[in-house]
Amino acid sequence: SQELEQSPQSLIVQEGKNLTINCTSSKTLYGLYWYKQKYGEGLIFLMMLQKGGEEKSHEKITAKLDEKKQQSSLHITASQPSHAGIYLCGASGGGSNYKLTFGKGTLLTVNP
Amino acid sequence: EAQVTQNPRYLITVTGKKLTVTCSQNMNHEYMSWYRQDPGLGLRQIYYSMNVEVTDKGDVPEGYKVSRKEKRNFPLILESPSPNQTSLYFCASSLLAGSVGELFFGEGSRLTVL
Repeated sequence: SQELEQSPQSLIVQEGKNLTINCTSSKTLYGLYWYKQKYGEGLIFLMMLQKGGEEKSHEKITAKLDEKKQQSSLHITASQPSHAGIYLCGASGGGSNYKLTFGKGTLLTVNP
Repeated sequence: EAQVTQNPRYLITVTGKKLTVTCSQNMNHEYMSWYRQDPGLGLRQIYYSMNVEVTDKGDVPEGYKVSRKEKRNFPLILESPSPNQTSLYFCASSLLAGSVGELFFGEGSRLTVL
């Protein structure tokens, strides 16, 4: 089965700093999804990447899927306290495989 | 307002007492899924459904049942709960025709089994 490893597990940054979270898959990624979760709450969909080399941005968050389609990165520019939370990557098996796997998450703390 | 609604949000029960966690979505989504989230283990898929009467096992289906008799509802049934099913449960849905991973999540149901 597919496994997603996220790094780092946790991250503390000063407001205004840039940061990157990585997600590495044990298999080829057919669809890679990034979510944000406030502690104990439901996940909020951020972005989806499907093509190798694809890059998407939303406000100050940019996500990329590498050419080999086994790793994705999430980059936050000029972090703010509102960016704090748990970031999770998720992946589908592709084709008619509708099972979804998630990484264990990266806990981001942004200090004012 | 588009939403996924789970009930109950909090529940404390005892071992062996059957319970059902309901999930309903108002977006006409084909795909619905249940997850459990545990410290150190992350978010794991229990069951998913691609449409009415079509369900399949996720990674941790043992001890759970689901049914999809209507498109909008996808209840999670614990026939004989055990303490290792104490967890935070999430229901989610998406348009299958779009992308199965663009999920709308419910707010979660925190279950404690004594």
